[in-house]
Amino acid sequence: SAVISQKPSRDICQRGTSLTIQCQVDSQVTMMFWYRQQPGQSLTLIATANQGSEATYESGFVIDKFPISRPNLTFSTLTVSNMSPEDSSIYLCSVAGRTNTGELFFGEGSRLTVL
Amino acid sequence: DAKTTQPPSMDCAEGRAANLPCNHSTISGNEYVYWYRQIHSQGPQYIIHGLKNNETNEMASLIITEDRKSSTLILPHATLRDTAVYYCVSINSGYALNFGKGTSLLVTP
Repeated sequence: SAVISQKPSRDICQRGTSLTIQCQVDSQVTMMFWYRQQPGQSLTLIATANQGSEATYESGFVIDKFPISRPNLTFSTLTVSNMSPEDSSIYLCSVAGRTNTGELFFGEGSRLTVL
Repeated sequence: DAKTTQPPSMDCAEGRAANLPCNHSTISGNEYVYWYRQIHSQGPQYIIHGLKNNETNEMASLIITEDRKSSTLILPHATLRDTAVYYCVSINSGYALNFGKGTSLLVTP
């Protein structure tokens, strides 16, 4: 298993500002994923952030809005840029297990509220 | 990537078996079926996965139909702590999971 820590756990932000979410894993992992969960909704994949390559974004998500860094095998950041109230969501970091069987481990999420 | 369909909500009495169905009629031959659950205000938690055969672990059993178009997650003795949203998910080519809307299971005393 993998233990994932996310910071901040929650924040209240002003419209137009940017916030960077950190994801720290207790072991080295190749594949890391960022998800968004809007209020009352399911999880939506934002991007895949594999170490050593540029992040791959899903349809509807762009690098200018959600820049991602992956400097090493245990850490990643997701920035939510120029925030609007529609960005109010829980953002979750997830990593694949060592066996690549599809078992993903999730952080507790970062709950952002944009005023 | 397979699309999954689940009932939006279900109730189950404490101590009884909870049977949660999932339709995945577009699943391809080598795609696994995964089940996760999300307890309120927590990140999703892996439960079980399978390809063709039925699977059982300490948390649940997974029954997959022979044609693989549907499956059922069974919690044999539901407890109040099993109240959660249960997701039947598929995996994409990049090993990320595609979450549908899930089933909100309410276990009642």
